Amino acid sequence: KAGVTQTPRYLIKTRGQQVTLSCSPISGHRSVSWYQQTPGQGLQFLFEYFSETQRNKGNFPGRFSGRQFSNSRSEMNVSTLELGDSALYLCASSLVQGNSPLHFGNGTRLTVT
Amino acid sequence: ELKVEQNPLFLSMQEGKNYTIYCNYSTTSDRLYWYRQDPGKSLESLFVLLSNGAVKQEGRLMASLDTKARLSTLHITAAVHDLSATYFCAEGDNYGQNFVFGPGTRLSVLP
Repeated sequence: KAGVTQTPRYLIKTRGQQVTLSCSPISGHRSVSWYQQTPGQGLQFLFEYFSETQRNKGNFPGRFSGRQFSNSRSEMNVSTLELGDSALYLCASSLVQGNSPLHFGNGTRLTVT
Repeated sequence: ELKVEQNPLFLSMQEGKNYTIYCNYSTTSDRLYWYRQDPGKSLESLFVLLSNGAVKQEGRLMASLDTKARLSTLHITAAVHDLSATYFCAEGDNYGQNFVFGPGTRLSVLP
């Protein structure tokens, strides 16, 4: 069974630009979550989607947005990039059941210059 | 505000030794998870603990959960170099998939 796939693996952007990251969950997983990982703040929850609806949202500004498609694939978008947005962005999928662990992708390393 | 704390944050130990990583969480959630992250890699699920007194073991790692104390432990028995990684505990809420992660414990097992 294929794991969670994130593209691209690496991105370099300039302040003020916007970026879109993509995530394909494990087949059969309908919940997709996004996390930001930085050395200073650790792992922080961005949002979670299920059946194309955002169910939970973390404490991030509105520049961070996401969506989920009917095939459960998800994208997140960051507009007006800031230097502090440089991070590893991790996508995770899980089964519908609330007790299921998250299965993480390899992440997208975003560098903002 | 949900908060998860881990202790210690850094751990350097010799092969063959035993040690315990502690995870304190702030709510009455009964869902606690442990993950492992190798340098430059993603997170891998290790254990899912769903009730008070739950104990799970895999190889040299054993995790337990005390919901009354809001404490989970990850015990390492006879450490080997391959266990070197960062270990995260995470608390899951009871309604969805909103997980709060601890800061991680970076473990180095020295030969």
